[in-house]
Amino acid sequence: EPEVTQTPSHQVTQMGQEVILRCVPISNHLYFYWYRQILGQKVEFLVSFYNNEISEKSEIFDDQFSVERPDGSNFTLKIRSTKLEDSAMYFCASTARGLAETQYFGPGTRLLVL
Amino acid sequence: QKEVEQNSGPLSVPEGAIASLNCTYSDRGSQSFFWYRQYSGKSPELIMSIYSNGDKEDGRFTAQLNKASQYVSLLIRDSQPSDSATYLCAVKEYGNKLVFGAGTILRVKS
Repeated sequence: EPEVTQTPSHQVTQMGQEVILRCVPISNHLYFYWYRQILGQKVEFLVSFYNNEISEKSEIFDDQFSVERPDGSNFTLKIRSTKLEDSAMYFCASTARGLAETQYFGPGTRLLVL
Repeated sequence: QKEVEQNSGPLSVPEGAIASLNCTYSDRGSQSFFWYRQYSGKSPELIMSIYSNGDKEDGRFTAQLNKASQYVSLLIRDSQPSDSATYLCAVKEYGNKLVFGAGTILRVKS
Protein backbone atom coordinates (compact mmCIF):
# COMPACT_ATOMS: atom_id res chain seq x y z
CA GLU A 1 0.00 0.00 0.00
CA PRO A 2 1.41 3.42 -0.95
CA GLU A 3 2.69 5.48 1.97
CA VAL A 4 3.91 8.97 2.67
CA THR A 5 7.59 8.85 3.61
CA GLN A 6 9.65 11.43 5.49
CA THR A 7 13.34 11.98 6.07
CA PRO A 8 15.14 12.27 8.36
CA SER A 9 13.28 10.53 11.17
CA HIS A 10 15.21 12.57 13.74
CA GLN A 11 17.13 15.82 13.43
CA VAL A 12 19.07 17.69 16.08
CA THR A 13 20.18 21.21 15.27
CA GLN A 14 21.53 24.30 16.94
CA MET A 15 19.36 27.36 17.41
CA GLY A 16 19.70 29.67 14.44
CA GLN A 17 20.57 26.93 11.96
CA GLU A 18 18.55 26.13 8.87
CA VAL A 19 16.85 22.76 8.54
CA ILE A 20 15.12 21.11 5.63
CA LEU A 21 12.59 18.38 6.27
CA ARG A 22 11.76 16.14 3.35
CA CYS A 23 8.63 14.29 2.38
CA VAL A 24 7.66 12.04 -0.49
CA PRO A 25 3.85 12.12 -0.79
CA ILE A 26 1.83 9.26 -2.22
CA SER A 27 2.54 9.26 -5.95
CA ASN A 28 -0.85 10.20 -7.42
CA HIS A 29 -1.71 12.72 -4.72
CA LEU A 30 -2.06 16.39 -5.57
CA TYR A 31 -2.50 18.17 -2.23
CA PHE A 32 0.27 18.31 0.34
CA TYR A 33 0.37 19.48 3.91
CA TRP A 34 2.69 20.06 6.83
CA TYR A 35 1.54 19.76 10.42
CA ARG A 36 3.49 19.88 13.62
CA GLN A 37 2.97 18.50 17.11
CA ILE A 38 4.84 19.91 20.05
CA LEU A 39 5.34 17.25 22.71
CA GLY A 40 2.13 16.75 24.68
CA GLN A 41 0.14 19.17 22.53
CA LYS A 42 -2.33 19.06 19.65
CA VAL A 43 -1.45 18.38 16.05
CA GLU A 44 -1.38 21.85 14.41
CA PHE A 45 -1.78 22.77 10.75
CA LEU A 46 1.11 24.68 9.21
CA VAL A 47 0.56 24.88 5.47
CA SER A 48 -1.18 23.34 2.49
CA PHE A 49 0.22 23.24 -1.03
CA TYR A 50 -1.42 22.59 -4.38
CA ASN A 51 -0.42 23.18 -7.96
CA ASN A 52 3.01 24.44 -6.94
CA GLU A 53 1.79 27.13 -4.62
CA ILE A 54 0.68 27.61 -1.04
CA SER A 55 -3.09 27.38 -0.80
CA GLU A 56 -3.39 28.08 2.91
CA LYS A 57 -1.08 28.74 5.85
CA SER A 58 -1.48 29.21 9.58
CA GLU A 59 -0.20 32.00 11.82
CA ILE A 60 2.61 29.65 12.84
CA PHE A 61 3.90 29.58 9.26
CA ASP A 62 5.77 32.88 9.36
CA ASP A 63 8.65 34.17 7.22
CA GLN A 64 11.01 31.64 8.79
CA PHE A 65 9.16 28.81 7.08
CA SER A 66 8.98 27.94 3.41
CA VAL A 67 7.82 24.98 1.37
CA GLU A 68 8.88 23.73 -2.01
CA ARG A 69 8.19 20.93 -4.43
CA PRO A 70 11.59 20.83 -6.12
CA ASP A 71 10.76 17.89 -8.39
CA GLY A 72 7.90 15.54 -9.15
CA SER A 73 8.17 13.56 -5.96
CA ASN A 74 9.63 15.54 -3.06
CA PHE A 75 7.93 18.12 -0.88
CA THR A 76 10.12 20.03 1.55
CA LEU A 77 9.68 22.24 4.60
CA LYS A 78 12.52 24.65 5.34
CA ILE A 79 12.97 26.47 8.61
CA ARG A 80 15.45 29.26 7.96
CA SER A 81 16.64 30.08 11.45
CA THR A 82 15.45 27.58 14.01
CA LYS A 83 14.26 28.57 17.46
CA LEU A 84 13.99 26.46 20.59
CA GLU A 85 10.20 26.52 20.24
CA ASP A 86 10.44 24.89 16.80
CA SER A 87 11.24 21.61 18.55
CA ALA A 88 8.38 19.30 17.61
CA MET A 89 7.30 16.37 15.48
CA TYR A 90 6.67 17.52 11.92
CA PHE A 91 4.23 15.50 9.87
CA CYS A 92 3.75 15.61 6.14
CA ALA A 93 0.37 14.56 4.74
CA SER A 94 -1.10 14.20 1.30
CA THR A 95 -4.44 13.62 -0.33
CA ALA A 96 -5.53 12.77 -3.85
CA ARG A 97 -8.05 15.57 -4.06
CA GLY A 98 -8.71 18.36 -1.62
CA LEU A 99 -12.33 18.33 -0.74
CA ALA A 100 -13.56 15.75 1.75
CA GLU A 101 -10.59 13.53 1.07
CA THR A 102 -8.70 11.75 3.77
CA GLN A 103 -5.25 13.07 4.55
CA TYR A 104 -2.64 10.36 4.96
CA PHE A 105 0.20 11.15 7.29
CA GLY A 106 3.85 10.27 7.03
CA PRO A 107 5.78 8.87 10.01
CA GLY A 108 7.10 12.29 11.00
CA THR A 109 10.43 13.98 11.65
CA ARG A 110 11.32 14.67 15.25
CA LEU A 111 13.17 18.00 15.32
CA LEU A 112 15.12 19.01 18.40
CA VAL A 113 16.56 22.52 18.52
CA LEU A 114 19.27 23.04 21.13
CA GLN B 1 -9.79 29.64 15.26
CA LYS B 2 -12.33 26.89 15.18
CA GLU B 3 -12.20 24.51 18.13
CA VAL B 4 -12.42 20.76 18.46
CA GLU B 5 -12.88 19.52 21.99
CA GLN B 6 -12.21 16.08 23.41
CA ASN B 7 -12.04 14.71 26.93
CA SER B 8 -8.34 14.03 27.51
CA GLY B 9 -9.01 10.92 29.60
CA PRO B 10 -7.56 8.51 30.25
CA LEU B 11 -10.54 6.34 29.48
CA SER B 12 -9.99 2.90 30.94
CA VAL B 13 -12.03 -0.06 29.76
CA PRO B 14 -11.62 -3.80 30.31
CA GLU B 15 -10.71 -6.01 27.40
CA GLY B 16 -13.79 -6.98 25.41
CA ALA B 17 -15.81 -3.94 26.49
CA ILE B 18 -17.09 -1.08 24.34
CA ALA B 19 -15.05 2.11 24.41
CA SER B 20 -16.94 5.33 23.66
CA LEU B 21 -14.98 8.40 22.60
CA ASN B 22 -16.58 11.79 22.09
CA CYS B 23 -15.79 15.01 20.29
CA THR B 24 -17.52 18.35 19.84
CA TYR B 25 -16.68 21.02 17.29
CA SER B 26 -17.45 24.70 17.03
CA ASP B 27 -17.73 25.31 13.27
CA ARG B 28 -21.32 24.60 12.29
CA GLY B 29 -20.32 24.63 8.62
CA SER B 30 -17.91 21.71 8.90
CA GLN B 31 -18.71 18.82 6.60
CA SER B 32 -15.93 16.26 7.01
CA PHE B 33 -14.91 14.50 10.19
CA PHE B 34 -12.15 12.03 10.90
CA TRP B 35 -10.94 9.80 13.69
CA TYR B 36 -7.23 9.09 13.86
CA ARG B 37 -5.36 6.81 16.23
CA GLN B 38 -1.94 7.88 17.46
CA TYR B 39 0.46 5.65 19.33
CA SER B 40 3.07 7.38 21.45
CA GLY B 41 5.78 8.91 19.29
CA LYS B 42 4.05 7.89 16.05
CA SER B 43 2.02 9.69 13.41
CA PRO B 44 -1.79 9.85 13.22
CA GLU B 45 -3.28 6.81 11.54
CA LEU B 46 -6.74 7.08 10.00
CA ILE B 47 -9.45 4.93 11.53
CA MET B 48 -12.63 6.36 10.06
CA SER B 49 -14.08 9.27 8.15
CA ILE B 50 -17.70 10.36 8.32
CA TYR B 51 -19.56 13.02 6.37
CA SER B 52 -23.28 12.38 6.91
CA ASN B 53 -25.46 12.37 10.00
CA GLY B 54 -25.92 8.94 11.53
CA ASP B 55 -23.71 5.92 12.02
CA LYS B 56 -20.93 4.48 9.92
CA GLU B 57 -19.53 1.08 10.79
CA ASP B 58 -16.20 -0.47 9.84
CA GLY B 59 -15.35 -3.69 11.60
CA ARG B 60 -15.17 -3.08 15.34
CA PHE B 61 -15.42 0.67 14.87
CA THR B 62 -18.54 2.81 14.56
CA ALA B 63 -18.45 6.54 13.99
CA GLN B 64 -21.51 8.61 14.81
CA LEU B 65 -22.19 12.13 13.60
CA ASN B 66 -24.83 14.60 14.76
CA LYS B 67 -24.37 17.89 12.94
CA ALA B 68 -27.25 19.59 14.76
CA SER B 69 -25.48 18.97 18.08
CA GLN B 70 -22.01 19.41 16.52
CA TYR B 71 -20.99 16.10 17.98
CA VAL B 72 -18.93 13.19 16.68
CA SER B 73 -18.27 9.96 18.49
CA LEU B 74 -16.32 6.75 17.99
CA LEU B 75 -17.34 3.42 19.45
CA ILE B 76 -14.84 0.59 19.65
CA ARG B 77 -16.44 -2.79 20.23
CA ASP B 78 -14.61 -5.76 21.75
CA SER B 79 -11.76 -3.49 22.84
CA GLN B 80 -8.30 -5.06 22.73
CA PRO B 81 -5.10 -4.07 24.57
CA SER B 82 -3.69 -3.13 21.16
CA ASP B 83 -6.38 -0.44 20.91
CA SER B 84 -4.65 1.43 23.74
CA ALA B 85 -3.60 4.71 22.15
CA THR B 86 -4.59 8.35 21.85
CA TYR B 87 -7.62 8.91 19.63
CA LEU B 88 -7.70 12.16 17.73
CA CYS B 89 -10.84 13.77 16.40
CA ALA B 90 -10.19 15.98 13.38
CA VAL B 91 -12.55 18.31 11.54
CA LYS B 92 -11.90 19.68 8.09
CA GLU B 93 -12.39 23.43 7.95
CA TYR B 94 -13.26 25.44 4.89
CA GLY B 95 -10.37 24.80 2.59
CA ASN B 96 -8.47 21.67 3.33
CA LYS B 97 -6.83 22.01 6.70
CA LEU B 98 -7.64 19.66 9.53
CA VAL B 99 -8.27 21.01 13.00
CA PHE B 100 -7.45 18.42 15.62
CA GLY B 101 -8.68 17.91 19.11
CA ALA B 102 -6.17 17.28 21.87
CA GLY B 103 -7.05 13.58 21.84
CA THR B 104 -8.45 11.08 24.30
CA ILE B 105 -6.11 8.52 25.84
CA LEU B 106 -7.67 5.06 25.80
CA ARG B 107 -6.36 2.28 28.00
CA VAL B 108 -7.67 -1.23 27.51
CA LYS B 109 -6.86 -3.48 30.44
CA SER B 110 -6.44 -7.20 29.93
